[in-house]
Amino acid sequence: AQSVTQPDIHITVSEGASLELRCNYSYGATPYLFWYVQSPGQGLQLLLKYFSGDTLVQGIKGFEAEFKRSQSSFNLRKPSVHWSDAAEYFCAVGARDNAGNMLTFGGGTRLMVKP
Amino acid sequence: DAGITQSPRHKVTETGTPVTLRCHQTENHRYMYWYRQDPGHGLRLIHYSYGVKDTDKGEVSDGYSVSRSKTEDFLLTLESATSSQTSVYFCAIRDRDRGNTGELFFGEGSRLTVL
Repeated sequence: AQSVTQPDIHITVSEGASLELRCNYSYGATPYLFWYVQSPGQGLQLLLKYFSGDTLVQGIKGFEAEFKRSQSSFNLRKPSVHWSDAAEYFCAVGARDNAGNMLTFGGGTRLMVKP
Repeated sequence: DAGITQSPRHKVTETGTPVTLRCHQTENHRYMYWYRQDPGHGLRLIHYSYGVKDTDKGEVSDGYSVSRSKTEDFLLTLESATSSQTSVYFCAIRDRDRGNTGELFFGEGSRLTVL
C-alpha cells in the first residue's frame, strides 16, 4: 500500500520569500502525485499533478513541484510567497495499479505568511 | 466547479444516535468517495463507490456504511455515532473526462460533532 509523509506540520515564511514544502511517498512503482491546497473552512483545491513525462510540473497560483524518483519525493515550491498563500497544503499519491481510484494523503503542512 | 453538494454542512449530535451525510453530484460521475479529515492525519478514505450499488471499503471504514441507489447521491451513515467520529467529512468525485488519472474534486465538507 502507498503512504505519504509531510515532515513539516507548520511552516512560517515572510511574504516575498521562497517556499518549499516537502513530500515523501512510499510506493513500489511510479505513482500519480498531487498537491492540494485548503483554505480555512473550504474544500480542497488541486494545485498540480504529476502522471508521467517531465518531472517538473507547473500548477496554478505560481506553484511548481518536482518529482524525484531517486528520493521518492515530490516537493512543492514557489519563488515568492503572497499573503493569500496562507493555507494548509496536502500531498497525495495514487497508485497506478488501481487506476488511481483512491488517493492517499499526507498529514498536511500548514503555511503561515508573515507580512 | 464539479457540481458537488454536501448536506448538512454542520451537525451536532449525541453519542449513540444515527447520522446520515449526503453527497449529491450533478454531472453523472461514476466514482464517488467519502473521506474524513482530522488534524495530523490529513484525509483518510472511508468508503468509495464505482457505480450504482457498487461500493467498497477504504482505510477507516469501521463504524460507517454507505449506499448509492442512484448515480447522483452517495450517502454516508453512522449507525451509532461515537465521539471518535467527530470530524470533517469530505465527499469527492473523479472526473471521468480527465481520464484515468485519479484526480479528485472535493465538496466543501460536512463538520460533524458528536457529544
